[in-house]
Formats: sequence, structure tokens, C-alpha cells
Amino acid sequence: DVVMTQSPLSLPVTLGQPASISCRSSQGLVHSNGNTYLNWFHQRPGQSPRRLIYKVSNRDSGVPDRFSGSGSGTDFTLKISRVEAEDVGVYYCMQGTHWPWTFGQGTKVEIK
Amino acid sequence: EVQLVESGGGLVQPGGSLRLSCAASGFTFSDNYMDWVRQAPGKGLEWVGRIENKASSYTTEYAASVKGRFTISRDDSKNSLYLQMNSLKIEDTAVYYCAKDGGSSGWFDWGQGTLVTVSS
Repeated sequence: DVVMTQSPLSLPVTLGQPASISCRSSQGLVHSNGNTYLNWFHQRPGQSPRRLIYKVSNRDSGVPDRFSGSGSGTDFTLKISRVEAEDVGVYYCMQGTHWPWTFGQGTKVEIK
Repeated sequence: EVQLVESGGGLVQPGGSLRLSCAASGFTFSDNYMDWVRQAPGKGLEWVGRIENKASSYTTEYAASVKGRFTISRDDSKNSLYLQMNSLKIEDTAVYYCAKDGGSSGWFDWGQGTLVTVSS
């Protein structure tokens, strides 16, 4: 199975400051159809996960533009340009290129 | 609006069985693949399995950790998804989420989850 490794696992941030989460895969994530299926999810405490970004850099509807995704091959990044209080929780990367689909361990974002 | 409502969770002894249900509304259930994803207490997310639609012969896929013990089924006439869990282990303790499959882009629509606790 493809192993997804996130860093850091804990990220204390100051309100209004940027934040960045790294996700690395044990295999390249370019699908045979040319797409790269690297997705990001956010889970607030006590809530279900919510998809933020799909195929590396496509924001889901309703996701603020302060969230952006980038990367290629095996190395991907989720960036928050200016952290807001509602951004706390755990962020997961997930790959959908290789079966079975797998998640990273999660990065917990909290306000300093 | 898509709604997914899980039910059937509870406390079960190791080696026991439990059946989870997911009631779907707000979309054409029969057209869609559906998945189960779980989350052990304080842990990360784990994909459990998927059932495809009638056009794809209701094909199922499972994570290695549950293959042979869990069975996913659906009743399109009732807009319902099921997860039959047999030979339960302590490590199956988790919140189980029903999710509308978005293909390789993951899941946009999730239920609220139902907690399964396997303990003696």
C-alpha cells in the first residue's frame, strides 16, 4: 500500500499567520490517466471530515481561497495564507491513485 | 442537499457481529458508488470498503484489515447502504462513516458517523 507521511504532526499557529503542511507519498501519484489524485481533508473536533482540495489544487465549493494546494510526484503541500480560528482541527492528505486509497496520519492545527 | 445518516452502532463483544445502516437522501442513490470509512478513537482515517452501483454489478472492494469479516451491501429501493461486521476484534472499535464515493478524488459527502465499540 502507498504510505502517506505528513509533517508536522502538530502545528501551533498564530491567528492571521500562514501555515503549511507537507504530505509525501511512498510512490508517485500520477495516475495512468494523467491525473494526480492527492486530496486534502479537514476535520474539526467532534465533526465528520470535510474535503477541502481534490486533485492537488482544486478547492471544493465553499472552501475559502486562503486554502491552497500544490505539489507533484510524491511531494505535496497544503497552505493556509492567514489562519483563522475556524481552521483548527486535523488535516489529512489522501491518495486516490493507487488501490487501496490511503490517508496520511493527520496534522493537528491549533492556535497558539 | 445530500444527507447520509448512519445507525446501528453500539457495544459488542469480541467475536460478535453488528450491522450498520446508512440512509441516503438528496441524490440518486442507485447511480452512485458508496463507501465506508472508519476512525478509531483519537486516530486517523481508514478506508474500509466500497460498493459500486448496479451498472458495475455491485462490485465490492475491502481493506485488507476487514476482508473476509466485513460485507458491504445496498438496497437501492430503500436508498440504504449496509455494513455487516462479523468476527469483530477490539481493533475494529471506531466511528464508522458512510460516504458518497467521489472516485479517486475521495469523498465530498459524509454522514455524521456511528460509534462501534468492541469490548468484553
